[in-house]
Amino acid sequence: NAGVTQTPKFRVLKTGQSMTLLCAQDMNHEYMYWYRQDPGMGLRLIHYSVGEGTTAKGEVPDGYNVSRLKKQNFLLGLESAAPSQTSVYFCASSRQGPSTDTQYFGPGTRLTVL
Amino acid sequence: AQKITQTQPGMFVQEKEAVTLDCTYDTSDPSYGLFWYKQPSSGEMIFLIYQGSYDQQNATEGRYSLNFQKARKSANLVISASQLGDSAMYFCAMREKNTGNQFYFGTGTSLTVIP
Repeated sequence: NAGVTQTPKFRVLKTGQSMTLLCAQDMNHEYMYWYRQDPGMGLRLIHYSVGEGTTAKGEVPDGYNVSRLKKQNFLLGLESAAPSQTSVYFCASSRQGPSTDTQYFGPGTRLTVL
Repeated sequence: AQKITQTQPGMFVQEKEAVTLDCTYDTSDPSYGLFWYKQPSSGEMIFLIYQGSYDQQNATEGRYSLNFQKARKSANLVISASQLGDSAMYFCAMREKNTGNQFYFGTGTSLTVIP
């Protein structure tokens, strides 16, 4: 039982390049989330999904796109990377509810944009 | 307005002593959950403990307990008998039913346990 996995773990991009981060979960969770973590800012929600085929914007969605074609996978795309997107990206998943259900995190992806 | 506020950027505690990490929250939703996560220097996010808004008793998990004061909207984490391995960032989070069960995080508290 792998839980939540993220690919890749590290990546360096040049400004303007594109990439896709892959998140996979094997817990049959309905909800999946993408966060970014910057020093002193805690975790900020980028996009989330409440089920296969659905996505929604979070707090900081600009510059990112997501897709959830399969229940177990949630992809985060950067079409044209910018230095401001240098961050650690976490994927998480959770059951639909109740509100007392926790979310489970992947190990994170450290992205540097030069 | 901030949903979750953690006012202690950094805390120090002597090994074997207890420490309280503060967390206040803001919601008008009667149904919500409060969570604490630990992030060691290795970077992973580890779930520690949760408290439901309707729970009558404070949550406990081993050396972790949650001091839930609903009227004051606070959910402080108490770590008893601190260990060196407790040195980490600690994040408080809230999940609200009315906002689609989204999670909201505080900015975290860095805890250092001194031998």
